[in-house]
Amino acid sequence: SQQGEEDPQALSIQEGENATMNCSYKTSINNLQWYRQNSGRGLVHLILIRSNEREKHSGRLRVTLDTSKKSSSLLITASRAADTASYFCATDRSNFGNEKLTFGTGTRLTIIP
Amino acid sequence: EPEVTQTPSHQVTQMGQEVILRCVPISNHLYFYWYRQILGQKVEFLVSFYNNEISEKSEIFDDQFSVERPDGSNFTLKIRSTKLEDSAMYFCASGQDRRNQPQHFGDGTRLSIL
Repeated sequence: SQQGEEDPQALSIQEGENATMNCSYKTSINNLQWYRQNSGRGLVHLILIRSNEREKHSGRLRVTLDTSKKSSSLLITASRAADTASYFCATDRSNFGNEKLTFGTGTRLTIIP
Repeated sequence: EPEVTQTPSHQVTQMGQEVILRCVPISNHLYFYWYRQILGQKVEFLVSFYNNEISEKSEIFDDQFSVERPDGSNFTLKIRSTKLEDSAMYFCASGQDRRNQPQHFGDGTRLSIL
């Protein structure tokens, strides 16, 4: 399988519930980033976690990274209709952490009002 | 908040023609990238550009493709002799010249080859 795979592929939850998306990767990384993509639009950067970090928070977002399992999770708490989008993880394997990103397949999140 | 802008938002071109996709990165960024996303597929890296030269390119980025920073603000992707399979959304991104910085993406150009 390829670097960067998210699961589930699709997730539907009620507004107000928490949404958890997972990402797995194959090789060692320098950092892992999560992006959101609204339908037909560009990628919006959500959060970057470095390989020596285990958890990071930003507002209603919480990201964890387990380098031993080569996996990351994105938790969105108290979901809102506006959170409906596709969510992608992307890994950077370069030494400087500023080179190409390798994207996962994405999770399509639908928040039901 | 500064953002990456791309033009045009949609480009329709006959197969075999050349296209130039344009991007204005965030002004204090020094790393520039092009990615593409074929409908329903992953976002794929094409090329990164730093210090006026290509720093890395993927196997997709063959002789058909070229990038240029013609002035202090624009960053362009040229696709020569377009093929049907070049139809995709093309994203430009930029990043700061510091370790472990996020890449900021534009809204993309939807390229349709007829």
